[in-house]
Amino acid sequence: NAGVTQTPKFQVLKTGQSMTLQCAQDMNHEYMSWYRQDPGMGLRLIHYSVGAGITDQGEVPNGYNVSRSTTEDFPLRLLSAAPSQTSVYFCASSSRQITYSNQPQHFGDGTRLSIL
Amino acid sequence: AQTVTQSQPEMSVQEAETVTLSCTYDTSESDYYLFWYKQPPSRQMILVIRQEAYKQQNATENRFSVNFQKAAKSFSLKISDSQLGDAAMYFCAYLRGAGTYKYIFGTGTRLKVLA
Repeated sequence: NAGVTQTPKFQVLKTGQSMTLQCAQDMNHEYMSWYRQDPGMGLRLIHYSVGAGITDQGEVPNGYNVSRSTTEDFPLRLLSAAPSQTSVYFCASSSRQITYSNQPQHFGDGTRLSIL
Repeated sequence: AQTVTQSQPEMSVQEAETVTLSCTYDTSESDYYLFWYKQPPSRQMILVIRQEAYKQQNATENRFSVNFQKAAKSFSLKISDSQLGDAAMYFCAYLRGAGTYKYIFGTGTRLKVLA
């Protein structure tokens, strides 16, 4: 049982380049989310999805796109990378059954992204 | 809008001693969950403890316990018998009610454990 798998773990981009951060989960969770973590800011929600075909914006969505064509996958796209997007990115998945779950939210190991 | 505040950017504790990390939150909801997550240098996010708002009893998990003051909207984490492996960033998080999914995180407290 792999849980939440994020790729790549590290990436360096030049300003203006595009890339996709991959996220996959094998727990059949309905909810998936992308966060960014910056020093002194905690984790901030970028985009989230409540199921295949349904996505919505979080707290800091500008500059990022998402799609959810399957329950398992939730990729995050940077269309034109900017230095302000240098951060650590976490993908997470959650089951609806929070009350009965020992681990209500599962996180990937994160992607450290640097934009030069 | 709900907010979560961690007012201690950094704390230190001697090995084997007890330390308390503070967290306050603001919400008008009556049904919600609170969590403490640990993030060691490996970057993994590890759930330490959770508290359901409807439960009056404070949650405990081995050396970790919380002091949940619902009226004061306070949710502090107490770590007893601190160990070197407890050194990490600790995040307080809020979730509005079952069936929702938008977690709100505090800015974190870095805990140093001194040998």
